[in-house]
Amino acid sequence: QPALTQPASVSGSPGQSITISCTGTSNDIGAYGYNYVSWYQQRPGKAPKLLIYDVSVRPSGVSDRFSGSKSGNTASLTISGLQTEDEGDYYCSSCTASGSHVLFGGGTKLTVL
Amino acid sequence: QVHLQESGPGLVNPSETLSLTCAVSGDSISSRRHYWAWVRQPPGKGLEWIGSLYDSETSYYTPSLRSRLSMSVDSSKNQFSLNLRSVTAADTAVYFCARQGIGEGTGVLDHFDFWGLGTLVTV
Repeated sequence: QPALTQPASVSGSPGQSITISCTGTSNDIGAYGYNYVSWYQQRPGKAPKLLIYDVSVRPSGVSDRFSGSKSGNTASLTISGLQTEDEGDYYCSSCTASGSHVLFGGGTKLTVL
Repeated sequence: QVHLQESGPGLVNPSETLSLTCAVSGDSISSRRHYWAWVRQPPGKGLEWIGSLYDSETSYYTPSLRSRLSMSVDSSKNQFSLNLRSVTAADTAVYFCARQGIGEGTGVLDHFDFWGLGTLVTV
């Protein structure tokens, strides 16, 4: 059972916006002063790709259509202007309050209709 | 550009030891600016963090595997390794190695910014 909870699937039409939630606890996502949530995109048969780190920071080269946020024990990934190439699996991750363990969400399959 | 490459046997017998190596180029493991990590993904399932290595003395392992797991670093070859003992069919997965950031000012385990392609290990 994954430690972080994500919806199993989401879908949207091209051009729309979708949001994927990632719910943890006060011992990980909601830990006081900690903003160590990251998001990854994984296409079939490929390695995960970093989309967002430290809750809302986009690495160089990642489209600004991807954005992240956090409120309490829940982090969110928003994808605006959906494109067919956005289809794939999305995973959230957070360190624990101890700072010495990493948790992943179960993953969310995005379908662009 | 940082590049990571996993290597090791694709088939391991039950009860034996799974051994993988990750060769790193484009960065120095001994620079101590990052952690070096292993993540696995069973067929059709999600990602699971296995452990992270800072140097030969500092490593963190997921609790469920700690009793069977060891990780090491070979700075001379700029590579790090994973050994998982007493494997069962439940350890069948694609194993990824990755570079992992360190939380600024906190030293905590942060995001994974570069990943290897992954290698399938079947038990």
